Amino acid sequence: KQEVTQIPAALSVPEGENLVLNCSFTDSAIYNLQWFRQDPGKGLTSLLLIQSSQREQTSGRLNASLDKSSGRSTLYIAASQPGDSATYLCAARTDSWGKLQFGAGTQVVVTP
Amino acid sequence: DGGITQSPKYLFRKEGQNVTLSCEQNLNHDAMYWYRQDPGQGLRLIYYSQIVNDFQKGDIAEGYSVSREKKESFPLTVTSAQKNPTAFYLCASSIDRTGRQPQHFGDGTRLSIL
Repeated sequence: KQEVTQIPAALSVPEGENLVLNCSFTDSAIYNLQWFRQDPGKGLTSLLLIQSSQREQTSGRLNASLDKSSGRSTLYIAASQPGDSATYLCAARTDSWGKLQFGAGTQVVVTP
Repeated sequence: DGGITQSPKYLFRKEGQNVTLSCEQNLNHDAMYWYRQDPGQGLRLIYYSQIVNDFQKGDIAEGYSVSREKKESFPLTVTSAQKNPTAFYLCASSIDRTGRQPQHFGDGTRLSIL
């Protein structure tokens, strides 16, 4: 069974520093990997989706990489801002119809 | 504005009572999903539907039921058989059934026991 892990569970960085968030998965046979942001008491906002054939995806200050052979994905957020404070979740698609296996998330605090 | 609307935002359940959570989308998406989120845990799939009048159990379907009579609606009923229903419930949808496109989420319903 696919297991998705995000370490650390929480981190705090000063404003302006680059953020590096990690996601690991046990079964490399994934179809794609999606990164989400969740604000307190809210739903998830889709940030980036990387297909299994891709190595990375970029959107503005966000860059996500995927290394299937090592079972890792990394989300980079450049020049962090206090508005980036949220919980970030990754999810690996494990079935042909779209089932997602989620990690527990990394809670990020960016201090001014 | 296109999006996914979940209601109510907060819901309280009494012992032995069934409650229904609403999920409506105006994105014309084929696939819809229900997830449960517990504190400090990732989301777990309850049910999913790829097409009207069809739905499949996810990983934790026991004590829940769904229907998909219209493309835009996918209500979830939490039955009295679900002994630990307190959680944050999230509905999602995707434009395709194959999973290549991202899933988009509503703002959730928080269910508590009275």
